Amino acid sequence: QQQVKQSPQSLIVQKGGISIINCAYENTAFDYFPWYQQFPGKGPALLIAIRPDVSEKKEGRFTISFNKSAKQFSLHIMDSQPGDSATYFCAASKDNAGNMLTFGGGTRLMVKP
Amino acid sequence: DTGVSQDPRHKITKRGQNVTFRCDPISEHNRLYWYRQTLGQGPEFLTYFQNEAQLEKSRLLSDRFSAERPKGSFSTLEIQRTEQGDSAMYLCASSHGPGWGAEFYNEQFFGPGTRLTVL
Repeated sequence: QQQVKQSPQSLIVQKGGISIINCAYENTAFDYFPWYQQFPGKGPALLIAIRPDVSEKKEGRFTISFNKSAKQFSLHIMDSQPGDSATYFCAASKDNAGNMLTFGGGTRLMVKP
Repeated sequence: DTGVSQDPRHKITKRGQNVTFRCDPISEHNRLYWYRQTLGQGPEFLTYFQNEAQLEKSRLLSDRFSAERPKGSFSTLEIQRTEQGDSAMYLCASSHGPGWGAEFYNEQFFGPGTRLTVL
């Protein structure tokens, strides 16, 4: 059972454009939603994270939008740059259950110059 | 470098051999996690430790897999009698535990991974 579904699988955006990646989850016990960025040959690196008591969190060019009733959350990358080209993973966990992260399938982002 | 380190970075082995990987977490972190990532997929949770205690194991972790964190610092993941299906990237992550006080005490910091190829 895939508890976190991520879309699209791949995304091509022009430099300066907005990249949008969506995730949907099933388990209402999830209460921590991070996004990770992964470059080839590297481990995932935490980008930004949110708890369900807020609907939006912004850090620099990265924004998470969260819709608790729809059980969906998304990552927006503003002014996308070629250096943002990477694979992005959404994830979710239940704090009180030991923080085991359940990851989405990933989105491969390519930002064209 | 104070990040999570893993050794070796690459391991090629023949089917049936045993392999062991090591993870050194960020020094002040008391939680340590192992994940497995196959090509084109997101990481899948395997197991985690709070200090030296192994608190959770995924059903993905067959009897051929064993993990230890003997002194609550570094951890090892051993795979016995490797199979071709074990070929994957094995990722280690660490985090603070409850009581740290930060907003996201469970932020997990990942190492670069060990890529295992079973021939």
